[in-house]
Amino acid sequence: QQPVQSPQAVILREGEDAVINCSSSKALYSVHWYRQKHGEAPVFLMILLKGGEQKGHDKISASFNEKKQQSSLYLTASQLSYSGTYFCGTGINNDMRFGAGTRLTVKP
Amino acid sequence: DSGVTQTPKHLITATGQRVTLRCSPRSGDLSVYWYQQSLDQGLQFLIQYYNGEERAKGNILERFSAQQFPDLHSELNLSSLELGDSALYFCASSATGTLISGANVLTFGAGSRLTVL
Repeated sequence: QQPVQSPQAVILREGEDAVINCSSSKALYSVHWYRQKHGEAPVFLMILLKGGEQKGHDKISASFNEKKQQSSLYLTASQLSYSGTYFCGTGINNDMRFGAGTRLTVKP
Repeated sequence: DSGVTQTPKHLITATGQRVTLRCSPRSGDLSVYWYQQSLDQGLQFLIQYYNGEERAKGNILERFSAQQFPDLHSELNLSSLELGDSALYFCASSATGTLISGANVLTFGAGSRLTVL
């Protein structure tokens, strides 16, 4: 079963912050975040394995609430290069199911 | 270059035809995943192989089949093609088949764009 992402799309100005949410109806053991720029392949951003674990990558960080079966991706002081579609993926058993994606557009 | 190689990059064919998409995983990776991405849509999981064996199946149509060979490359066969099969097909690989481990993340190939006319 696919995780649910929100919002579907976000438009920001450079320097603004954004939060992308990911939730699952099933117990989560891990959450992966990937970014896909237009016309390119998805690229791995980070993985979260434990409840409450937070990871950071430059000004992009994420949290994982195992109890609520939710993860959130935080983009701080967004840059033009952050534009793309962000997917969360949940590794249930051996396969990876992705949410529908959140399209992030950062404008100058 | 991600290390995952997909061929062909582009393919144009007619309805009713059959095509084969090929994927070579990153060196050392044992698991291969196939995804379908229709225009501006999400990534639909099709099927996963680990070291030659099918491990997980997603929304793969009966007209589609796949296999992973002893050298670990994988092929996705699409037959009796319909207009709706037009999409970008991604292959991804991981070290093992267990994605709940921190050592295993997906590395995607550049994709094969299929157009059915």
